Amino acid sequence: AQSVTQLGSHVSVSEGALVLLRCNYSSSVPPYLFWYVQYPNQGLQLLLKYTTGATLVKGINGFEAEFKKSETSFHLTKPSAHMSDAAEYFCAVSASTNAGKSTFGDGTTLTVKP
Amino acid sequence: DTAVSQTPKYLVTQMGNDKSIKCEQNLGHDTMYWYKQDSKKFLKIMFSYNNKELIINETVPNRFSPKSPDKAHLNLHINSLELGDSAVYFCASSQDLAGGSNEQFFGPGTRLTVL
Repeated sequence: AQSVTQLGSHVSVSEGALVLLRCNYSSSVPPYLFWYVQYPNQGLQLLLKYTTGATLVKGINGFEAEFKKSETSFHLTKPSAHMSDAAEYFCAVSASTNAGKSTFGDGTTLTVKP
Repeated sequence: DTAVSQTPKYLVTQMGNDKSIKCEQNLGHDTMYWYKQDSKKFLKIMFSYNNKELIINETVPNRFSPKSPDKAHLNLHINSLELGDSAVYFCASSQDLAGGSNEQFFGPGTRLTVL
């Protein structure tokens, strides 16, 4: 079984401030972890993913995430928020034992204040 | 070129009607999915197909029937529409199952409103 918990359904930051979106996962086997972003009235697009290897993963638009097995976490960060980062963010987990099924978190709405 | 496309983008219909949503991907992927996103933005998988074979069939009413005529297409037919079916439906594809390590590419969504 696999699951994802995104802590904080709404996060608000000022432009230029650090963005931190939290994701904790549960998986009985080594997980594959993803962050997706959804802009208004659009589909989801991949920001970054972790499968194996380096635990610090860099993605598009200056985002990165670190896989911490001991904490079962995969938090998403960006050093300096832009207005264009305002969107819905989803963390997802999948595993080799689950027929390619990804389980998505409930999402976090990021608001960026000028 | 749109990688994953869905038609229609908006669908407004009456309760009890039957409707279909079409999805096509031009990425050469083997695996396709249908997701439902409700008004709170929660995203739930409904079905997945790999090389036209049904792989995932979540707890979905049997009024929903997917059909995959070929690897590039996955359509969703819904019978006897109910108010609770109102949602945004997303089609997605991934290169293959690869044990779940491949990312998914999402279509733009179809907003279904049942009156």
